[in-house]
Amino acid sequence: AQSVTQLDSQVPVFEEAPVELRCNYSSSVSVYLFWYVQYPNQGLQLLLKYLSGSTLVKGINGFEAEFNKSQTSFHLRKPSVHISDTAEYFCAVNAAGGTSYGKLTFGQGTILTVHP
Amino acid sequence: DTGVSQNPRHKITKRGQNVTFRCDPISEHNRLYWYRQTLGQGPEFLTYFQNEAQLEKSRLLSDRFSAERPKGSFSTLEIQRTEQGDSAMYLCASSITGQGISPLHFGNGTRLTVT
Repeated sequence: AQSVTQLDSQVPVFEEAPVELRCNYSSSVSVYLFWYVQYPNQGLQLLLKYLSGSTLVKGINGFEAEFNKSQTSFHLRKPSVHISDTAEYFCAVNAAGGTSYGKLTFGQGTILTVHP
Repeated sequence: DTGVSQNPRHKITKRGQNVTFRCDPISEHNRLYWYRQTLGQGPEFLTYFQNEAQLEKSRLLSDRFSAERPKGSFSTLEIQRTEQGDSAMYLCASSITGQGISPLHFGNGTRLTVT
């Protein structure tokens, strides 16, 4: 089984400042890792994913994340945030291989609030 | 690509009533997933289908819950004898197999309130 811990429930930041949203995971098998964003009353939109290969992954809207296997982390970063980045962000893990693809385990979410 | 469509967007029901939600996946997607999201939490996996076959069900899916995907296209999720604890956002997602690791595409969800 897998588990995900998002270390910050809320992150306030000023516009144009950098931001890091932290995610740690636990798994006894290899994993795929994802970050999703959720705007109010909407579904989840994929920001980026790590499947294999390069540990630095770039996604949409200027976000990137780095997979660190030794620290079992997958932190999300953006060098300069905009007001429109205000949303809730979810880190998720999926066991790699087999037939369980799509059976995601999500963290509890981090609410990012960007202030002008 | 019109995206994953879920209906209704909102449902308010009284405790003890039955409710049914519908999900229309992206047309060529053969996998369909149901998740539940309660307030302040991340989504939790409920069940998934490959074509019309239901391949896995979470222990969260009690006997009062049933999901179907009769023709391998749209899916329905029914909750019988609703309880206040069933109040949540029910999310549907779809993906396609056979093209590498395809990401899940989520719908906007059905928000259920049980009074």
